[in-house]
Amino acid sequence: QKEVEQDPGPLSVPEGAIVSLNCTYSNSAFQYFMWYRQYSRKGPELLMYTYSSGNKEDGRFTAQVDKSSKYISLFIRDSQPSDSATYLCATGYSSASKIIFGSGTRLSIRP
Amino acid sequence: EAGVAQSPRYKIIEKRQSVAFWCNPISGHATLYWYQQILGQGPKLLIQFQNNGVVDDSQLPKDRFSAERLKGVDSTLKIQPAKLEDSAVYLCASSRDRDYEQYFGPGTRLTVT
Repeated sequence: QKEVEQDPGPLSVPEGAIVSLNCTYSNSAFQYFMWYRQYSRKGPELLMYTYSSGNKEDGRFTAQVDKSSKYISLFIRDSQPSDSATYLCATGYSSASKIIFGSGTRLSIRP
Repeated sequence: EAGVAQSPRYKIIEKRQSVAFWCNPISGHATLYWYQQILGQGPKLLIQFQNNGVVDDSQLPKDRFSAERLKGVDSTLKIQPAKLEDSAVYLCASSRDRDYEQYFGPGTRLTVT
């Protein structure tokens, strides 16, 4: 079993739609949860991170962690064509431990 | 602030040849990472440096891969000899003091024929 599982997609939605991206993880000891965005032929960039359970909002993006079900979500409101990218979830034990990436979900926003 | 620089951006070699990648992290970032990203997969950590020292190289195939970080700044990753399954994007990242906040370079796309 992989430590972090993510549906590879691709996921295609119309502009303006709400997007929901999800991951599951296997180790309850993970405390940090990250979402990275990767455009084609670019390196990943950190979008958001959360510590332990709960929600975190940043503009059109909301990250949610449910530790009881080991489930991580990223919601994108009012999606834009510029949001088209691969979204990678990642987890870590602490702020000073290596992070483990999921395989990424490819998202396409249709104008 | 300048980002993480990597070179070359693309490299095509034949199997059994050797290849080297270079990375210059963001100024002031003590931690440097090398990842391998195979098509359709997430990045996999190969090696992590804290200043000059190696923190984690548990997933580095040491029979063919080597890496060094001179003077705690630039780093090189070498593969010798290359195999077909080494075809991937090699990403370099750096962080100041929190492993969850990493800044990635554009990567080097390696094709082994």
